[in-house]
Amino acid sequence: DTGVSQDPRHKITKRGQNVTFRCDPISEHNRLYWYRQTLGQGPEFLTYFQNEAQLEKSRLLSDRFSAERPKGSFSTLEIQRTEQGDSAMYLCASSHFQALISGANVLTFGAGSRLTVL
Amino acid sequence: AQTVTQSQPEMSVQEAETVTLSCTYDTSESDYYLFWYKQPPSRQMILVIRQEAYKQQNATENRFSVNFQKAAKSFSLKISDSQLGDAAMYFCAYRRAQGGSEKLVFGKGTKLTVNP
Repeated sequence: DTGVSQDPRHKITKRGQNVTFRCDPISEHNRLYWYRQTLGQGPEFLTYFQNEAQLEKSRLLSDRFSAERPKGSFSTLEIQRTEQGDSAMYLCASSHFQALISGANVLTFGAGSRLTVL
Repeated sequence: AQTVTQSQPEMSVQEAETVTLSCTYDTSESDYYLFWYKQPPSRQMILVIRQEAYKQQNATENRFSVNFQKAAKSFSLKISDSQLGDAAMYFCAYRRAQGGSEKLVFGKGTKLTVNP
């Protein structure tokens, strides 16, 4: 297993178009997270899944954004009717969460998908 | 809402020297986790070190150590014997330990340059 994979690495699109990003987590990880990182800022949380269930969504995730993890493995993040403000790096991360096991739930990040909206 | 502040946008250090990156945070929680992540130019975030708030002992990982001051809400990262490969963006992050939220709150980052 080579870690968290994201595809595509770079996407250039015109305003108003739809884009979809895919994330393949580490195979034994049951949690999957999406973050957005704009230039000069730290990553901002968007949403996370435990298996196929979407358990938390940020207010940053407007109605134009939708994320799925249909079989509890890979995930997709779709942005509809893209705007220039959507230009950012979209980071995916995964972790293996075990209830009743103490300690922080440590995330492994992918290299990200960079979106440029013209 | 929790916030994380990194007051040093950029830092530089000579190879083999020691550098300290600052981080402060604001929270009303008593139990939480703190992290330092490294983001090299390839953009993949890598966990450097983590600290559980209930532990008084400062975490260490080889050349990396933290100075955790809970009362002051300060969490600085010390890199000893700096190497060229340490050059990267460093992000401090916070996560609640209770309450179900898995959200990591990041600071804006510090860009570290290592001079040969």
